[in-house]
Amino acid sequence: DTAVSQTPKYLVTQMGNDKSIKCEQNLGHDTMYWYKQDSKKFLKIMFSYNNKELIINETVPNRFSPKSPDKAHLNLHINSLELGDSAVYFCASSRGGEEKLFFGSGTQLSVL
Amino acid sequence: KQEVTQIPAALSVPEGENLVLNCSFTDSAIYNLQWFRQDPGKGLTSLLLIQSSQREQTSGRLNASLDKSSGRSTLYIAASQPGDSATYLCAVRQEGSNYKLTFGKGTLLTVNP
Repeated sequence: DTAVSQTPKYLVTQMGNDKSIKCEQNLGHDTMYWYKQDSKKFLKIMFSYNNKELIINETVPNRFSPKSPDKAHLNLHINSLELGDSAVYFCASSRGGEEKLFFGSGTQLSVL
Repeated sequence: KQEVTQIPAALSVPEGENLVLNCSFTDSAIYNLQWFRQDPGKGLTSLLLIQSSQREQTSGRLNASLDKSSGRSTLYIAASQPGDSATYLCAVRQEGSNYKLTFGKGTLLTVNP
């Protein structure tokens, strides 16, 4: 059973489009995250939700809007996609903010 | 602002060798430190988590140490195997910021048969 699953795995789209990435975890964790890994493989946190409440919003453009319908889901919606948004986006979850993180397998976004 | 540095950026060793990966961080006020493994095209897998009050953690052939005051951690891999080939990342969780991890850029390890 996949612990943290995100879809789609690959996303190729044109500049200006709006797209969503979905994430679900079946670990019973109360905290979920979105991380961005750029072309240099550097991982940076974007958002963190604890019990559906936004905890971290790390200077991410307003075009990125996370949505947490329940504790097991954290979706990422991106408006007006730009070339610089091309990256791998990882969803992760943990129990509280203190425990090990469990990552999804990533969504490779390519904006043309 | 916390900065995490990993040295070396890449390492190639023959199978069976013991090796050490290094991680340093600029702000010693950390809550814990994690070592992750990332395989190509996949997500990260947490290997070891060391709390700030601990000196080391062990899991199988892996041993991670933490010297909080000097801002350093090492990951020791014993008797390396080709299956250990991956990128290894360390990440620190800052005191007072429990939900945020700051990552290093990783060490790409290749173990040659």
